[in-house]
Amino acid sequence: GENVEQHPSTLSVQEGDSAVIKCTYSDSASNYFPWYKQELGKRPQLIIDIRSNVGEKKDQRIAVTLNKTAKHFSLHITETQPEDSAVYFCAASIGYGNKLVFGAGTILRVKS
Amino acid sequence: NAGVMQNPRHLVRRRGQEARLRCSPMKGHSHVYWYRQLPEEGLKFMVYLQKENIIDESGMPKERFSAEFPKEGPSILRIQQVVRGDSAAYFCASSPPAGAQQYFGPGTRLTVT
Repeated sequence: GENVEQHPSTLSVQEGDSAVIKCTYSDSASNYFPWYKQELGKRPQLIIDIRSNVGEKKDQRIAVTLNKTAKHFSLHITETQPEDSAVYFCAASIGYGNKLVFGAGTILRVKS
Repeated sequence: NAGVMQNPRHLVRRRGQEARLRCSPMKGHSHVYWYRQLPEEGLKFMVYLQKENIIDESGMPKERFSAEFPKEGPSILRIQQVVRGDSAAYFCASSPPAGAQQYFGPGTRLTVT
């Protein structure tokens, strides 16, 4: 079945630096790739997503890139702030109805 | 436009009891997904439903778990004869008919004692 690998599992950066999280997926039929941010005890929040017909998408300090040939996609956060500290999950859609397969998550710590 | 609603937010059950978790999708959304999150782990797909139909239940355990999304009212995830291993956060998400974006509810944290 579909598998999504996510790296790194933890990431510590200094405030103001950039953070990059990478994911690979196995099902070439996947065509939708969202990223979620989850704070402790809270719901996953959709922060950005990309579809397979686009190579890059940007929203203020957050950007996502997709390489369909290599089956990997990445989240880029620039000018990190302490409030960016959270767990970030990538996901890939599979099958009819776009059910999501999630990566294992990355704990991002932004040190001030 | 209210977001996805789930209740209860916290549920404590003893081993062998039944747990019922409810999810009301966002207004205008007709697709509901249930995911389970074990402590310090990622989210795992359980079931995908549309009104009155189970579309994909490939992630549901074969026994004790069932889900429904009736014509009227919320979607319900039912766990019979709960065991300690069922302790987890259960999230539902909804999406519009023709969209892929899924928006999550606040979750129900089930604790089995």
